[in-house]
Amino acid sequence: GAVVSQHPSWVICKSGTSVKIECRSLDFQATTMFWYRQFPKQSLMLMATSNEGSKATYEQGVEKDKFLINHASLTLSTLTVTSAHPEDSSFYICSASFGTEIDTQYFGPGTRLTVL
Amino acid sequence: GQNIDQPTEMTATEGAIVQINCTYQTSGFNGLFWYQQHAGEAPTFLSYNVLDGLEEKGRFSSFLSRSKGYSYLLLKELQMKDSASYLCASHILTGGGNKLTFGTGTQLKVEL
Repeated sequence: GAVVSQHPSWVICKSGTSVKIECRSLDFQATTMFWYRQFPKQSLMLMATSNEGSKATYEQGVEKDKFLINHASLTLSTLTVTSAHPEDSSFYICSASFGTEIDTQYFGPGTRLTVL
Repeated sequence: GQNIDQPTEMTATEGAIVQINCTYQTSGFNGLFWYQQHAGEAPTFLSYNVLDGLEEKGRFSSFLSRSKGYSYLLLKELQMKDSASYLCASHILTGGGNKLTFGTGTQLKVEL
């Protein structure tokens, strides 16, 4: 199956700093990438959808100025959590699809963010 | 709006069969996914149902009834490694593309 990687796998940062998370599709070109957030014992909540070369579409309630998404190429999307606060501590997961009628989204291994 | 319900927790015995139900009320519905997620890991794909009926894939089967807004995941010959969270997700087509809306997940515990 298709492989999606994320980097870093975990990160601890101080409150007020910014953190960048990378999502890469390793063996296919992902026209669409999705960013999710998952709090403990809760389900995945879609934050935004990004298509290569265009602006991301954010879900209601997600601050686009705080969660900056860049989808610069068909194999790379980045999520930057700006001015992180402890309430931003969560498990961030990206997924990628071929962007057609969807059959499957391939998920990355996730990034555990802890803001002190 | 989008609403997906599934039980929070289930417990079953090794070697047994368990059925995890999922009901949904979503606009723009196109199909229903099931994913397995172990703690601290990303979800892995199990099945995708678009048409009504049962689809079998090894020990796992998934059923969909579009008219009832209902799906279930059936796990046979349970193994200890099947202990995980099982997420149902509604595949929705929107003007801007497609996306998944996840249920809260069912935590399955397999016991000896």
